[in-house]
Amino acid sequence: DAGITQSPRYKITETGRQVTLMCHQTWSHSYMFWYRQDLGHGLRLIYYSAAADITDKGEVPDGYVVSRSKTENFPLTLESATRSQTSVYFCASSAGSAREQYFGPGTRLTVT
Amino acid sequence: QKEVEQNSGPLSVPEGAIASLNCTYSDRGSQSFFWYRQYSGKSPELIMFIYSNGDKEDGRFTAQLNKASQYVSLLIRDSQPSDSATYLCAGEPGNTPLVFGKGTRLSVIA
Repeated sequence: DAGITQSPRYKITETGRQVTLMCHQTWSHSYMFWYRQDLGHGLRLIYYSAAADITDKGEVPDGYVVSRSKTENFPLTLESATRSQTSVYFCASSAGSAREQYFGPGTRLTVT
Repeated sequence: QKEVEQNSGPLSVPEGAIASLNCTYSDRGSQSFFWYRQYSGKSPELIMFIYSNGDKEDGRFTAQLNKASQYVSLLIRDSQPSDSATYLCAGEPGNTPLVFGKGTRLSVIA
């Protein structure tokens, strides 16, 4: 189906474990974004990518790693998960940095 | 720092009334603004965008932009309980990703 998907939708992991959240879009949008959303903080940009092999830090990049080898995929890795990374993670894509963004359904991550 | 400010609410309006959601922004260079609706437990959904000063209407929604006052608003006419959600305002500060406000929670009372 066309659109933007995220997997898994729910994940529980332990402190110190590595976890990767997946994002896939079928629109061939050049830009992709990762946000986290926490109560009281709104959406906070973690990383974004303007094209394959081009990534840039957002507001809260520490503890996260991204890659983009293909236009349609933008995985987010927590190399050593901490409880403070418990959050809802949204992936988004857009045709340009200043264009409207379309969001995936989100991944609810709990770090115990 | 480029910021988009919204009143967190909750904003409560009776069914059938006009809901007015407001947003101010700090970057005078911002050209485009976007309104998203987010239901509890769901992802943000784009409902409108506006690039030019003035009003833009789409069904029951009207977006208003005043660049001189650095002010954006969203009016929802004939509000319905199904409009109860958090509304996010986002601005485009020029060649960088959108800056989102923290959102205003709207509650439409039947």
